Amino acid sequence: ETGVTQSPTHLIKTRGQQVTLRCSSQSGHNTVSWYQQALGQGPQFIFQYYREEENGRGNFPPRFSGLQFPNYSSELNVNALELDDSALYLCASRPDRVSGYTFGSGTRLTVV
Amino acid sequence: GESVGLHLPTLSVQEGDNSIINCAYSNSASDYFIWYKQESGKGPQFIIDIRSNMDKRQGQRVTVLLNKTVKHLSLQIAATQPGDSAVYFCAEKRQTGANNLFFGTGTRLTVIP
Repeated sequence: ETGVTQSPTHLIKTRGQQVTLRCSSQSGHNTVSWYQQALGQGPQFIFQYYREEENGRGNFPPRFSGLQFPNYSSELNVNALELDDSALYLCASRPDRVSGYTFGSGTRLTVV
Repeated sequence: GESVGLHLPTLSVQEGDNSIINCAYSNSASDYFIWYKQESGKGPQFIIDIRSNMDKRQGQRVTVLLNKTVKHLSLQIAATQPGDSAVYFCAEKRQTGANNLFFGTGTRLTVIP
């Protein structure tokens, strides 16, 4: 139990559809980051939110978007799904800039 | 391009032996490094971290060594156990940008009973 909960655990979508993935962080964790992990690869940074504002983004197109809420939950939205979007999506949070990141178990997204 | 990479994709060790997992990084601006363990179906689990002003840090059965001169990081696991079997990632945080982590590809450690 890491204190970071993601839902759903698995999801299958069709190419062109939209998907919303959810993350619930520990109370007090003001920073949340989302990562994409393709099979056999390390996680790749998508974007980061701090107190409901995006404050960093990796090399991902605008169809990847997010939200962070005051109750320490957050969402990752992906529009116009492509087959290459199939991956494990990880949420990570931390209470401040100097602490380590705690990861959730991820959502396994399969696009067919 | 700059990257965090690992020397070996797989490592097999006998139970009870010591394991050493290596990692090379190329960004001299990185100031914080973390080793994560990832088991099948789970997210990365924090093992140990080290800041750039240190060259060694020890935890329970694990030691991380940082050589900034050659931009090399290693994770040593003492008395490796079957439960240590997993994929291990090193990750770096750079001083610029959003303080996000850059991960390598990972090394799969298999412990042979």
